[in-house]
Amino acid sequence: AQSVTQPDIHITVSEGASLELRCNYSYGATPYLFWYVQSPGQGLQLLLKYFSGDTLVQGIKGFEAEFKRSQSSFNLRKPSVHWSDAAEYFCAVGSGNTPLVFGKGTRLSVIA
Amino acid sequence: DSGVTQTPKHLITATGQRVTLRCSPRSGDLSVYWYQQSLDQGLQFLIQYYNGEERAKGNILERFSAQQFPDLHSELNLSSLELGDSALYFCASSGQANEKLFFGSGTQLSVL
Repeated sequence: AQSVTQPDIHITVSEGASLELRCNYSYGATPYLFWYVQSPGQGLQLLLKYFSGDTLVQGIKGFEAEFKRSQSSFNLRKPSVHWSDAAEYFCAVGSGNTPLVFGKGTRLSVIA
Repeated sequence: DSGVTQTPKHLITATGQRVTLRCSPRSGDLSVYWYQQSLDQGLQFLIQYYNGEERAKGNILERFSAQQFPDLHSELNLSSLELGDSALYFCASSGQANEKLFFGSGTQLSVL
């Protein structure tokens, strides 16, 4: 069965510091991989997605993620975090025929 | 704004009652998905409809049901409510392929 693990429940970083959020997945076929962000009281917004091709994908708000098949990982990165990036981040896996399965999320706090 | 509209935003009711959550997908999107978000379970897929027909079913209780109407809006019916049904219920829509989900802002259900 497909599953997503986000090992870090909560991460705190200083504004301007770099960020990496971890995501590991289990999926039987070539997966579609996604990162979503949820601000308080809001729905989920797509940051970026990987379907095929270049394993380093760029998203909105300066985020990027790298697909590593050998490690079954799809980690999210940002070189310099802004206070407005504080939110909950969700990694998800699926395909064209199956609904997305989400990880339990990582809450990001940003301190001055 | 994702283009997905959910009503109501908040719902407070008592155990044993029945409620209906409504979702209007983005213009042109044929697929509607329902997810339940709770602190302990994270985002759980409930059910998917495509152009009026059930496409996939996830961890949806028998007390819950859904449908998608000819105008493509969807309703999620929750009956015989229990305290544990308190959660944030999200609707999402996508185009023909399950490539990118657009989420509504959710309905916060509180069962007292």
